[in-house]
Amino acid sequence: RKEVEQDPGPFNVPEGATVAFNCTYSNSASQSFFWYRQDCRKEPKLLMSVYSSGNEDGRFTAQLNRASQYISLLIRDSKLSDSATYLCVVNGFQKLVFGTGTRLLVSP
Amino acid sequence: GAGVSQSPSNKVTEKGKDVELRCDPISGHTALYWYRQSLGQGLEFLIYFQGNSAPDKSGLPSDRFSAERTGGSVSTLTIQRTQQEDSAVYLCASSLARADNSPLHFGNGTRLTVT
Repeated sequence: RKEVEQDPGPFNVPEGATVAFNCTYSNSASQSFFWYRQDCRKEPKLLMSVYSSGNEDGRFTAQLNRASQYISLLIRDSKLSDSATYLCVVNGFQKLVFGTGTRLLVSP
Repeated sequence: GAGVSQSPSNKVTEKGKDVELRCDPISGHTALYWYRQSLGQGLEFLIYFQGNSAPDKSGLPSDRFSAERTGGSVSTLTIQRTQQEDSAVYLCASSLARADNSPLHFGNGTRLTVT
């Protein structure tokens, strides 16, 4: 089983839609969780950290479910500029591990 | 302040040649990672340095790949006898203090093309 797994997508949604991604992780001792965004041919950039109590940043909401070992990212009121690949990152055995990413395409 | 700096930004080399890729992390960041990413693929972990600890080399794909980090700062990734399958973007990232609770800051990457 991979340490971090994501549905590769793509998720095709219209502008204004709400979309959610999940990411599962295998190491139950993981303590740190992040969502990164990567635009085509660019480096990944931190979108948000994921806290135990869940956290929100504008249209983005991140949740952690320790019992089921997954994190989620919810994007409300999708914009064209949200089109990107979203990478889930979890601290594994002493280092951060990236998922392969979920591709989001927002269309007019 | 300055971010993670990588050089060169692009490198074209002939099969069989050696290449060196450089990463200059953010000052004070003790954790440094190398990843590579082939077109349309996810990030493939290569190697991880944390302070003065022995590096985690578990992701290096073959013994043609090596990396060092001198003085806990600048890192170089060396690929010997390059092959066409080595063509990819090589990304370096650094983080503050302990890597497991600090987000990573990425450089712009080095795009390596082996002809």
